[in-house]
Amino acid sequence: QVQLEESGPGLVKPSGTLSLTCAVSGGSITSSNWWTWIRQPPGKGLEWIGETFHSGNTNYNPSLQSRVSISVDRSKNQFSLNLSSVTAADTAVYYCARIPVRSCSGVTCYLFDNWGRGALVTVSS
Amino acid sequence: AIQLTQSPSSLSASVGDRVSITCRASQGISSALAWYQQKAGQAPKLLIYDASNLESGVPSRFSGSGSGTDFTLTISSLQPEDFATYYCQQFDSYPLTFGGGTKVEIK
Repeated sequence: QVQLEESGPGLVKPSGTLSLTCAVSGGSITSSNWWTWIRQPPGKGLEWIGETFHSGNTNYNPSLQSRVSISVDRSKNQFSLNLSSVTAADTAVYYCARIPVRSCSGVTCYLFDNWGRGALVTVSS
Repeated sequence: AIQLTQSPSSLSASVGDRVSITCRASQGISSALAWYQQKAGQAPKLLIYDASNLESGVPSRFSGSGSGTDFTLTISSLQPEDFATYYCQQFDSYPLTFGGGTKVEIK
C-alpha cells in the first residue's frame, strides 16, 4: 500500500516561498500515476493546486499558475511544491495525493485515491 | 472552471436515517465525478468514483448516482462513523474542482 507523507516548514513569512515535499513509500514515483497537491484553508473547502508526472510534465490550477511549481525527484522517490509570493490567504493544510491508474468510462480517472496526512502551513510575520 | 454546488451545506440526522446529498455542476460532466468523506483532522477518503462506482473497502450503504449536471450521494442507513463532511469533485476538465462540502451532524 502506497503511503505519502508531507514535510516542510510550518511557518512562512509573507512574500516568501512555501516549500513542501511529499515522500512516497510502498511504491515508485515512476509508476504510471500522476502526483498532486491539494490545499484546504482552516475551516474551508478543498482546492486543487496542480499535478506532476515522473517525466516532469505538470498541470496547474490557473488561479495559482503564476506562483506555483511542482517537481519530481526520482532518486528520492518524492515530489515537491513551491508556492511563491505567499500571503495570509495561502495559510492552509497542504495535502499530497496520488491519482490512480484506472479508467472511468473510458477516460483517466483524475481523482485522488491515496492522501498524505496533511501539513499545516501558516503565513505570518 | 466548472463550478460544483453542493446542497445542503449542512444537515442534522439520526443514526439509521437515509441521507442524500446533491452536487450540481455548472456544465455537463458526463459521469466524471467522485465523492469523498472527510472527518475532523483527517485527509479526505475516496468513497465513489465515476459517479456511481463504490471504491474498494467502502461500505455498501454508500451509493452514488447521476450524470450530466446533477449527482447524488446517498447513505442508506447512517452509522455513527458516518458523521463527517462530504465533498464532490469533478474530473471532466481542468482545473479539477471540488464542491463546497456538506457537513453531516448528529441530530
